[in-house]
Amino acid sequence: GAVVSQHPSWVICKSGTSVKIECRSLDFQATTMFWYRQFPKQSLMLMATSNEGSKATYEQGVEKDKFLINHASLTLSTLTVTSAHPEDSSFYICSGRRTQETQYFGPGTRLLVL
Amino acid sequence: QKEVEQNSGPLSVPEGAIASLNCTYSDRVSQSFFWYRQYSGKSPELIMSIYSNGDKEDGRFTAQLNKASQYVSLLIRDSQPSDSATYLCAVNSQGGSEKLVFGKGTKLTVNP
Repeated sequence: GAVVSQHPSWVICKSGTSVKIECRSLDFQATTMFWYRQFPKQSLMLMATSNEGSKATYEQGVEKDKFLINHASLTLSTLTVTSAHPEDSSFYICSGRRTQETQYFGPGTRLLVL
Repeated sequence: QKEVEQNSGPLSVPEGAIASLNCTYSDRVSQSFFWYRQYSGKSPELIMSIYSNGDKEDGRFTAQLNKASQYVSLLIRDSQPSDSATYLCAVNSQGGSEKLVFGKGTKLTVNP
């Protein structure tokens, strides 16, 4: 199979702090990783596409200076939510692209900003 | 704008029945189609991928693709309560993009 891990699974932080979420492909190399956000009872929303060694491509309406993405290796991408506010509280999910267009999702990270 | 449409449900079926989930897409040149299952509070899990017209079977799951009608479906035979989840249809967005376009999902409940 294709396994993607995320760390941490849960994070609670104070408003104004920054939070880093790691996404790792454990048994395959992911040249492309994707970051999604999902609010309760809503569908997945793609935030950005991350390619190894290059700048991420952000979807319209997603602030690139607020959601910093780094894809330093073929197995690791990180998302940093800078100066987090309560409205950033959400379920953040990454996925890695293994073959063709197939994406395998990580287990997600729940962020709660107080 | 490329769109993927699914009935939001909820779709309720008795245990042992066939559950039929449907999806239509707007981008005629789409080539790759996926079904993901998402349990409440969890991330999506890949169930099936299909690339050619016709049926593709994997255990109790059958994906059906009709590119002429821009329609893809998922049949779940012998439905089990553990199949209760939201099912997401995803379509590859062509034009050099690697992105998947997701439908909003259909919530399935299998009643014991």
